[in-house]
Amino acid sequence: DSGVTQTPKHLITATGQRVTLRCSPRSGDLSVYWYQQSLDQGLQFLIQYYNGEERAKGNILERFSAQQFPDLHSELNLSSLELGDSALYFCASSVGGGGALETQYFGPGTRLLVL
Amino acid sequence: AQSVTQLGSHVSVSEGALVLLRCNYSSSVPPYLFWYVQYPNQGLQLLLKYTTGATLVKGINGFEAEFKKSETSFHLTKPSAHMSDAAEYFCAVGSNAGNMLTFGGGTRLMVKP
Repeated sequence: DSGVTQTPKHLITATGQRVTLRCSPRSGDLSVYWYQQSLDQGLQFLIQYYNGEERAKGNILERFSAQQFPDLHSELNLSSLELGDSALYFCASSVGGGGALETQYFGPGTRLLVL
Repeated sequence: AQSVTQLGSHVSVSEGALVLLRCNYSSSVPPYLFWYVQYPNQGLQLLLKYTTGATLVKGINGFEAEFKKSETSFHLTKPSAHMSDAAEYFCAVGSNAGNMLTFGGGTRLMVKP
């Protein structure tokens, strides 16, 4: 158990809908990262938040947005969902804002299925 | 820009045999290199990482990897495979020039009894 929690574990929705994925980092970790894992794209970095501020951005679509709240939990919002958004979405956390240098601890993921 | 190539999306070994998972990277700045393992229906777990210093890095569960700058490689090895090693393995590269990790496509390791 990494100490990172993600809810829900599974999510099934329809095209055009909007969903929110939630992540709670390990106690004391200030950074939260979001990744998407799909069969065709592999594991891709989406976005990083550090202590409430956006720190780094990867291949995140404009239909997707994220935020980190004062209690350091984070939410990833996916809107106007398409079939191709079906994937496993991971959250990871690390102690500081150092990103690549720091060990990132991954949650169990949220499996999203868009029908 | 950084990239990672993992040769072989599937590798099969017999229990007790050597495990060798290949990773080559591309980076314009000194890289940080990582190996993560993903067991079925679980998140990724860090096996080992190289940042600076000793080029042979030892990780958990008997795995180790060697950073070879001249070959731009960071191959993962284990002398003797166990059934419990069956999982998907991801090589990743990062650097102090950015905060993100770039992952390879993953290698699924199968261990035969």
